[in-house]
Amino acid sequence: VQLVQSGAEVKKSGASVQVSCKASGYTFSGHYIHWVRQAPGQGLDWMGWINPNSGDTSFGQKLQGRVTMTRDTSISTAYMELTRLTSDDTAVYYCARDWGTGSHPDYWGQGTLVTVSS
Amino acid sequence: SYELTQPPSVSVSPGQTASITCSGDKLGDEYVSWYQQKSGQSPVVVIYQNRNRPSGIPERFSGSNSGNTATLTISGTQAMDEADYYCQAWDSSTVVFGGGTKLTVL
Repeated sequence: VQLVQSGAEVKKSGASVQVSCKASGYTFSGHYIHWVRQAPGQGLDWMGWINPNSGDTSFGQKLQGRVTMTRDTSISTAYMELTRLTSDDTAVYYCARDWGTGSHPDYWGQGTLVTVSS
Repeated sequence: SYELTQPPSVSVSPGQTASITCSGDKLGDEYVSWYQQKSGQSPVVVIYQNRNRPSGIPERFSGSNSGNTATLTISGTQAMDEADYYCQAWDSSTVVFGGGTKLTVL
């Protein structure tokens, strides 16, 4: 199992960012993908999950309205887009595979640093 | 919203037992997982569904969950266990992480 994320991004305040997560080594549609972020020196902050099979999503309350999660099953890739960026969104963003469909994140991507500058 | 509370730091001497707690309302009714994160690395699951160890995780890692508290126990702690540890549970259809505990092995 491997999750490979897109590279680091630098964005201006107010812009949007999209991070991709390419999965391999397992059946992509059979496992949720979680997105988790970690601000510098801070803890893990769960953002949401997507069911690659149905496209259903669930998001954390504080990001509702700013985050979108999609997937392309033909290339086993999940995407997370965050809009109206502020400096508080500067963080490492991780994708992680769920053990099943509502268990626990088991395999994690390498992380993508998103830096938001004014 | 549901909250999981962890102590910010725990210290342990090499070879001793470290216990890290995670508290939440009726947490014992939920499955809890634990993650180890070393500096600059992605998290790694060390315990899932309260007490199960993934393959490759040493036997010195164990977990329990009852009442309002889940506990990660590391027996015979080694220097390599120094890391941040996070508990995780589900709240309806959303996921919650604890604030994290920095384990120092002195």
